[in-house]
Amino acid sequence: QTVVTQEPSLTVSPGGTVTLTCASSTGAVTSGYYPNWFQQKPGQAPRALIYSTSNKHSWTPARFSGSLLGGKAALTLSGVQPEDEAEYYCLLYYGGASWVFGGGTKLTVL
Amino acid sequence: QVQLVQSGAEVKKPGSSVKVSCKASGGTFSSYAISWVRQAPGQGLEWMGGIIPIFGTANYAQKFQGRVTITTDESTSTAYMELSSLRSEDTAVYYCARGDQLLKDYFDYWGQGTLVTVSS
Repeated sequence: QTVVTQEPSLTVSPGGTVTLTCASSTGAVTSGYYPNWFQQKPGQAPRALIYSTSNKHSWTPARFSGSLLGGKAALTLSGVQPEDEAEYYCLLYYGGASWVFGGGTKLTVL
Repeated sequence: QVQLVQSGAEVKKPGSSVKVSCKASGGTFSSYAISWVRQAPGQGLEWMGGIIPIFGTANYAQKFQGRVTITTDESTSTAYMELSSLRSEDTAVYYCARGDQLLKDYFDYWGQGTLVTVSS
């Protein structure tokens, strides 16, 4: 069974920079996993932020960026705002139109 | 603008089935795939499966194989997810999400979610 692993929780100060990562139990994450990132706030549906590793949707704030880092997918928030406090999920593609979510990272802005 | 509007909350008995709908507007329905994702109370997101309109085929996560059926009705731009043999662990919010045509690149718009409660 494929497992996608994220940091359970991270804390960042307002205005700071934080990087969330997403690892696969099958090995290094590459662009072929088409990493997607989502933000979810309590009581709301997820909101798409990043797709295909580093592509932003039209509504994605410029302070969010995606990359590959050390065999993992990564989401970096630069100049963190209080409203960025949320749960963040990565999603990886495993072929045959099959996807697996990571367990999520709870980001606290403090 | 693109909108995915899901059907309302459901309460079901163990062993029964539930069918949730997701009506799309603001785009060409057949040009996009639709995935279903669920979230149990206090838990993370779980991809259940998706349907690729150009192939007319659905793919399911192994965990749900045999219990979930995803279909579409192009005449009404609506996708459906039916889950059978319900048990208490299926209590969750179920979301539909739009994806690229081949379901291998991106997800963009999401429905508002449908709470399904399984209780005797």
